[in-house]
Amino acid sequence: KAGVTQTPRYLIKTRGQQVTLSCSPISGHRSVSWYQQTPGQGLQFLFEYFSETQRNKGNFPGRFSGRQFSNSRSEMNVSTLELGDSALYLCASSLLAAGGTDTQYFGPGTRLTVL
Amino acid sequence: AQSVTQLGSHVSVSEGALVLLRCNYSSSVPPYLFWYVQYPNQGLQLLLKYTTGATLVKGINGFEAEFKKSETSFHLTKPSAHMSDAAEYFCAVSDYQAGTALIFGKGTTLSVSS
Repeated sequence: KAGVTQTPRYLIKTRGQQVTLSCSPISGHRSVSWYQQTPGQGLQFLFEYFSETQRNKGNFPGRFSGRQFSNSRSEMNVSTLELGDSALYLCASSLLAAGGTDTQYFGPGTRLTVL
Repeated sequence: AQSVTQLGSHVSVSEGALVLLRCNYSSSVPPYLFWYVQYPNQGLQLLLKYTTGATLVKGINGFEAEFKKSETSFHLTKPSAHMSDAAEYFCAVSDYQAGTALIFGKGTTLSVSS
């Protein structure tokens, strides 16, 4: 079974631009969660989508948004990029809604650099 | 709110030595606990998890962890370190009350010397 895939793997943008990251979950998984990983703040939860609905959102500004399609693929968008948005963005999928015992399987991440 | 504290941002051991990575959690209800490993330029891989039942949990690559409610701990151990164990390790708790997926500790980098 194919794992979680994320595209692109690397991105370089400049301040003020916007960016869209994509995540394809493991086949059959309905939940997709997004995390931001930085050296200073560590791993932080962005949001989770389950059956095309956003279930929860972490403490991030409205510039960070996402969506999920009927095939469970998910995208996240960051508008008006700031230098501090440089990070590794990780996507994780699980069979059931997040927050329980179900294992979250992570993709390799998208490394975003904002210049 | 639940939280996780990993004691020691960097742990160094010799090959063949015991590996002990510490994790303490804060939770008002019985937690679900996880250990993940991250190799350079890769995502996170689940090592093991505790949900209910047996408090000693065995995972992949010879790792195990013991849930101790009285100490609010979930330390990760491996009897004999291998060079390939060098990576960053994250302890996490599942916030099922809020349903907001995983809350991670800051991580511990494990170095293994020959």
